[in-house]
Amino acid sequence: AQKITQTQPGMFVQEKEAVTLDCTYDTSDPSYGLFWYKQPSSGEMIFLIYQGSYDQQNATEGRYSLNFQKARKSANLVISASQLGDSAMYFCAMREQRHYGQNFVFGPGTRLSVLP
Amino acid sequence: SAVISQKPSRDICQRGTSLTIQCQVDSQVTMMFWYRQQPGQSLTLIATANQGSEATYESGFVIDKFPISRPNLTFSTLTVSNMSPEDSSIYLCSVEVRVGEKLFFGSGTQLSVL
Repeated sequence: AQKITQTQPGMFVQEKEAVTLDCTYDTSDPSYGLFWYKQPSSGEMIFLIYQGSYDQQNATEGRYSLNFQKARKSANLVISASQLGDSAMYFCAMREQRHYGQNFVFGPGTRLSVLP
Repeated sequence: SAVISQKPSRDICQRGTSLTIQCQVDSQVTMMFWYRQQPGQSLTLIATANQGSEATYESGFVIDKFPISRPNLTFSTLTVSNMSPEDSSIYLCSVEVRVGEKLFFGSGTQLSVL
């Protein structure tokens, strides 16, 4: 069963507008972490933002914020004031506990295109 | 933070040969992972590299095909054995410096098998 779902294979946004990328997850662990990574065409994986399952407030990092709705098991990424350089693949990921340690599971990704 | 050096950055290989990818971290880390990213796809975990012991493989990946070494807390290798065109992917080394923190990634190895 897919643990991370990103329902938007592709998204378009006008430059300077805000955009929300969806992510839902599935876990029975009470303690977990949620991450967003950006992968531009160069292929590098860039960490954007983190939300812990016990965090009371939504995480923010500059133009990035995470809309965390625990009861709905969603962790949507909001990018404000989009820039052309934001065009990339965006992956939602979850850290889960395994018997031998921890594992990070990635969603299928959303390709964001910012239009001038 | 962690700076990861992954080599080679890309290679073109013949069917039936093997390629070893190296991952060097500038500091001791708790966890090291190897991921595969097939063209246009997401990241799939191959295995967790365990220091001084056998790697822990995910379903669908076996040691004979993807032998992994981790002799210390800063270095690991992944070998892609007896390659076929289906092995053409990006292979990514990633590390967790401390438990509960984010993953850092190497720059990846772009592998093409002819």
